[in-house]
Amino acid sequence: DAKTTQPPSMDCAEGRAANLPCNHSTISGNEYVYWYRQIHSQGPQYIIHGLKNNETNEMASLIITEDRKSSTLILPHATLRDTAVYYCIVGGINTNAGKSTFGDGTTLTVKP
Amino acid sequence: GAVVSQHPSRVICKSGTSVKIECRSLDFQATTMFWYRQFPKQSLMLMATSNEGSKATYEQGVEKDKFLINHASLTLSTLTVTSAHPEDSSFYICSALKDYEQYFGPGTRLTVT
Repeated sequence: DAKTTQPPSMDCAEGRAANLPCNHSTISGNEYVYWYRQIHSQGPQYIIHGLKNNETNEMASLIITEDRKSSTLILPHATLRDTAVYYCIVGGINTNAGKSTFGDGTTLTVKP
Repeated sequence: GAVVSQHPSRVICKSGTSVKIECRSLDFQATTMFWYRQFPKQSLMLMATSNEGSKATYEQGVEKDKFLINHASLTLSTLTVTSAHPEDSSFYICSALKDYEQYFGPGTRLTVT
């Protein structure tokens, strides 16, 4: 499975949009991009996933570049409870990236 | 949404003893479950893939005789850490696959003294 690169940390003001980038330049044609987040001492929480089209759900939006080599997770109105480590991983749909590598993720800190 | 539970949430055991951690899918059946380990300030590391009715598949470097995995039913997978040592102290997290989505448990904090 392809590996991903994320900035180690980001800050965001409460109420503003948080844009978290992810590079996955070696992604293959059948691999999806998944985003999870992990709040301290809890299990990861699924956020969103996509193949090539932009996706939106109640939590976030996922923007995938046309060449699929990078993507951006957008939290439209960040709250203090969105402070967490955000993981971008790529993998096959059949295991929902279950066998993919979790990188170090981006620690997002939402500040009042 | 789908719910995955783990029991216990925290456990402290003495060196040399064995500890069993349960992972249950509460409202769905999961043919496949995954076990991860997470050390402080580090990312999740996949330990093994647990398949109902068959042997688990372990990742490279994970000792199958030390970390026993049993997936006897479609809603329960267990991880037994045998002869635990202080270096096994970690946060153990399971996940279950449902409809191509992965649902994670809340994790189990193991401390070996």
